[in-house]
Amino acid sequence: AQKVTQAQTEISVVEKEDVTLDCVYETRDTTYYLFWYKQPPSGELVFLIRRNSFDEQNEISGRYSWNFQKSTSSFNFTITASQVVDSAVYFCALISSDRDDKIIFGKGTRLHILP
Amino acid sequence: EPEVTQTPSHQVTQMGQEVILRCVPISNHLYFYWYRQILGQKVEFLVSFYNNEISEKSEIFDDQFSVERPDGSNFTLKIRSTKLEDSAMYFCASIENVNSPLHFGNGTRLTVT
Repeated sequence: AQKVTQAQTEISVVEKEDVTLDCVYETRDTTYYLFWYKQPPSGELVFLIRRNSFDEQNEISGRYSWNFQKSTSSFNFTITASQVVDSAVYFCALISSDRDDKIIFGKGTRLHILP
Repeated sequence: EPEVTQTPSHQVTQMGQEVILRCVPISNHLYFYWYRQILGQKVEFLVSFYNNEISEKSEIFDDQFSVERPDGSNFTLKIRSTKLEDSAMYFCASIENVNSPLHFGNGTRLTVT
C-alpha cells in the first residue's frame, strides 16, 4: 500500500525562524516520485518540488530546502528565515511509476508564520 | 507560462441539482485528473483520464460522477444529483506525461445547499 504521512497537523513559528515540515512515505515500489505542494489561503495548489526515488541529493531553492532520505522513507521540507507569506498548508505527495498514475497526498501541515 | 484554467471559481447549487465543473488543461498535456478537497481536509483523488477514457477512479467517484472531454480542449466533471457532502473545492490537473509534476487549476468551490 502507498501512504503519505504528515504527522504535524499545525505548526506556528515566529517570523525569521527556521521550520521543518516532516513527511514520511510508504511504498513497495522501487521507482517513485515525491512532491511538495503549497496551498496558500487563496486555495490554489502550487507545485514546489519533485524528487525521484533514485536521486537522494538534497535540494535548495532560495529559502526552501528538501532532505530526502530513503533509509527512513522521509522527504522533509525546511523553510529558512520564514516569512509571513509562507503561511499556508503544505502537502507532501507520492506517485509510483510502477503502477497506477494517481498521486497520493498527505493530510497536509498548516503552517502559521507569526509576525 | 501555460496554465490549467477552471470555471466557475465558485458554484452554488441546490441539493439534487446537476452541476458541471469545467476545466481547460494545458494544451499539450495528455493526462487529466480531478481531485477534491473538503474544507480543511486532505486532497482526495477522484479520477484520472487518458486517451479519452477513464484510467482510474476512486471509491468517491460513484455513479453520480462522470467526466468528459467533449471537444479536445475542455475536461468536465459532472455531478448528476448533488448532495450536501459534495460541497468541496474541486481541482482539475493535467500532466504532459506520466510522473511529470501535476499542474493544478485554481479550483472550483462547490457549495451545495
